[in-house]
Amino acid sequence: ETGVTQTPRHLVMGMTNKKSLKCEQHLGHNAMYWYKQSAKKPLELMFVYNFKEQTENNSVPSRFSPECPNSSHLFLHLHTLQPEDSALYLCASSQLAGEDTQYFGPGTRLTVL
Amino acid sequence: GQNIDQPTEMTATEGAIVQINCTYQTSGFNGLFWYQQHAGEAPTFLSYNVLDGLEEKGRFSSFLSRSKGYSYLLLKELQMKDSASYLCAVRDSNYQLIWGAGTKLIIKP
Repeated sequence: ETGVTQTPRHLVMGMTNKKSLKCEQHLGHNAMYWYKQSAKKPLELMFVYNFKEQTENNSVPSRFSPECPNSSHLFLHLHTLQPEDSALYLCASSQLAGEDTQYFGPGTRLTVL
Repeated sequence: GQNIDQPTEMTATEGAIVQINCTYQTSGFNGLFWYQQHAGEAPTFLSYNVLDGLEEKGRFSSFLSRSKGYSYLLLKELQMKDSASYLCAVRDSNYQLIWGAGTKLIIKP
């Protein structure tokens, strides 16, 4: 499946910068997810949106702020990040939250200096 | 707590067979997924098991035993392109996916 796209693919930012990650799905799904993937660790679910409404926030620090303007687009706004936030950020979508197979985008490799 | 265990790394030879194991302890069970992830790429869906037994899909098969909290992914006739990480994930009673850390599979000629 190549129906989920993410931009940018790579991002380097300083701790005082503000940046945004973008995800778009072309699969007609109603649920979208943000995950954090660090080396040799399990995927960490950050946020879930179902029909544009946030249904899950897994104790994510407020320096990460999601936005879902419609079922096809998902953003992750970043500000005042820490070096430990460096990771691969993956977006996924599914027909409905929690009930269906999730399809992933290629991710944004984030490095915080 | 909830836990998914899978080996960190495995090595196999081109043309051979390899079995990647996954054991889980979760709050309830509503299915188990296997994903493949090549370095720098998106995880891609391989298989889904919700009932006990073997599901075969071409060179890949996935097995589930709910009573043992155990699954394996079997890859036959290994090809160099099968070098990737293989992620096991279990959907719990709240329909949340609990992920393993992944198994990096290295294929040697």
